Amino acid sequence: EDQVTQSPEALRLQEGESSSLNCSYTVSGLRGLFWYRQDPGKGPEFLFTLYSAGEEKEKERLKATLTKKESFLHITAPKPEDSATYLCAVPNQAGTALIFGKGTTLSVSS
Amino acid sequence: EPEVTQTPSHQVTQMGQEVILRCVPISNHLYFYWYRQILGQKVEFLVSFYNNEISEKSEIFDDQFSVERPDGSNFTLKIRSTKLEDSAMYFCASRVGLTEKLFFGSGTQLSVL
Repeated sequence: EDQVTQSPEALRLQEGESSSLNCSYTVSGLRGLFWYRQDPGKGPEFLFTLYSAGEEKEKERLKATLTKKESFLHITAPKPEDSATYLCAVPNQAGTALIFGKGTTLSVSS
Repeated sequence: EPEVTQTPSHQVTQMGQEVILRCVPISNHLYFYWYRQILGQKVEFLVSFYNNEISEKSEIFDDQFSVERPDGSNFTLKIRSTKLEDSAMYFCASRVGLTEKLFFGSGTQLSVL
């Protein structure tokens, strides 16, 4: 059973068109939810960690929020350089490893 | 900024051959990981390593796989007898503590022919 589910699988936006990506998780006793960005052929690059419901973090055009069952990555006025796959991850039950969702592939056209 | 270094960036091998993928984690990190990503699929956990021993492994990490930290700086993944389905991008990752962010290397693309 998937512990992390991301939606949508793919998202196409026009430059400047804001939207949100969703990550829902099923692990209990969450010890952090992590967002990463992955460019083609590269390793995941860390964006944010959220630890408690209600927490928000921002970086440039990205804002991540967390509730008890899901997290959102809001993208405001995206640019073509924001095109990438965005990955969500949570610790496994033992807390010894991060388990990743399948990701949302974002394409932003000018 | 410190980074995780992986070599080689590409490795081509024949089915049944042994391969060793190498990684130099960030120097003050204590937890080390291997993940893999088959083309178009998700990043999958293989194994975690702490205090010179495996702390957890996934069902993918069978007897054909092994990890080693031979000299206090390198961290290696060995695949004893490669199969076609081992073709994937292999990522090494490290972190300071269990609740801290993972830093990933740029990956080794393994192609098994």
